[in-house]
Amino acid sequence: GENVEQHPSTLSVQEGDSAVIKCTYSDSASNYFPWYKQELGKRPQLIIDIRSNVGEKKDQRIAVTLNKTAKHFSLHITETQPEDSAVYFCAASINGNKLVFGAGTILRVKS
Amino acid sequence: ETGVTQTPRHLVMGMTNKKSLKCEQHLGHNAMYWYKQSAKKPLELMFVYNFKEQTENNSVPSRFSPECPNSSHLFLHLHTLQPEDSALYLCASSQDLGRGSTDTQYFGPGTRLTVL
Repeated sequence: GENVEQHPSTLSVQEGDSAVIKCTYSDSASNYFPWYKQELGKRPQLIIDIRSNVGEKKDQRIAVTLNKTAKHFSLHITETQPEDSAVYFCAASINGNKLVFGAGTILRVKS
Repeated sequence: ETGVTQTPRHLVMGMTNKKSLKCEQHLGHNAMYWYKQSAKKPLELMFVYNFKEQTENNSVPSRFSPECPNSSHLFLHLHTLQPEDSALYLCASSQDLGRGSTDTQYFGPGTRLTVL
């Protein structure tokens, strides 16, 4: 079955700097890759997703890139702000069914 | 924030107790999910229901028993749990599990379960 690895497990950046979180997946049939943000004590919320027919997607300060050949995808956050501090999870699935999640990255933005 | 609700938000139970977790979605979705979130581990999919039918049981022990009476409600019945079952249990919903679907999953706030 699918296996998703996520790195790093923790990431500290200075406010205004960029943050990059990387995930690799094992099943070449996976075609849907969402990213969720979970603030302390709150539910995971979708922040961006990408499908296998595109290589990059951007939404304001957040972007996701996908390399199908290498089977990895990355989350990029530019101009980080303290409110970006949270746990970020990547996931992979075939057609959106049975999401397999990475272990999460704790992002701390220092002001 | 109120699209998917879960009750109770916190639950403490002994190993011999029987309790139930409830999830309700107000989004008109047809697929519902139970996940387990333990510290320092990935979110683990437990069960999937599509149009009230169970489509996935991810090798979950029988002390966890799901029930989906309709597309808006999902229950997780708990009995004779172990301390290692202590975790955050998250419910989620999506439009459906049709072929080619890549529907977003929306999560509830979770139930923090502690088994003594």
